[in-house]
Amino acid sequence: AQSVTQLDSQVPVFEEAPVELRCNYSSSVSVYLFWYVQYPNQGLQLLLKYLSGSTLVKGINGFEAEFNKSQTSFHLRKPSVHISDTAEYFCAVSDPRRTGNQFYFGTGTSLTVIP
Amino acid sequence: NAGVMQNPRHLVRRRGQEARLRCSPMKGHSHVYWYRQLPEEGLKFMVYLQKENIIDESGMPKERFSAEFPKEGPSILRIQQVVRGDSAAYFCASSQDWNNEQFFGPGTRLTVL
Repeated sequence: AQSVTQLDSQVPVFEEAPVELRCNYSSSVSVYLFWYVQYPNQGLQLLLKYLSGSTLVKGINGFEAEFNKSQTSFHLRKPSVHISDTAEYFCAVSDPRRTGNQFYFGTGTSLTVIP
Repeated sequence: NAGVMQNPRHLVRRRGQEARLRCSPMKGHSHVYWYRQLPEEGLKFMVYLQKENIIDESGMPKERFSAEFPKEGPSILRIQQVVRGDSAAYFCASSQDWNNEQFFGPGTRLTVL
């Protein structure tokens, strides 16, 4: 089974500063990679995904992520954060070879943007 | 096109009661996934269903939990004789095909008193 590690459980950052949220996964085989955002008491919203092709993926709300196969990482970045980015962020991995394509989630990173 | 619907959004049960959580997938989606999110944790896969079939239930607890996705109507996650440890947020996701993007519902927050 896959495992996903989000090393930082909490990340405080000042408004308009850059941020990077780290994600590492266990498998060296081809995987699909996702970042989701969860606002308080809400469901998950897809920020971006990597299925194949370019290793730099751009998503909604100005976020981007880079797939690094050799380091099995998929770190999320934003050059300038806004107060409204305060939320929980989850990295997820799925195995496209496996019927069912269940997602494996990290434990989440709580991003707090400080005014 | 409405998104994935889950109801109720909040559910309170006493120990020993039954909890029924409902999930209506997006229109045109025939694949449903249930995940559980315990406090301070990420989502954990529970079960994957297609219409009238359970495809993968490797994440389901062996006892008290069951899931169905009938030909007509929503998918149901059923928890019998709930215990305090069942308190969590339960999320449903749906997809058009097994290798397509999963869309998540808003979740049902179960509290067991």
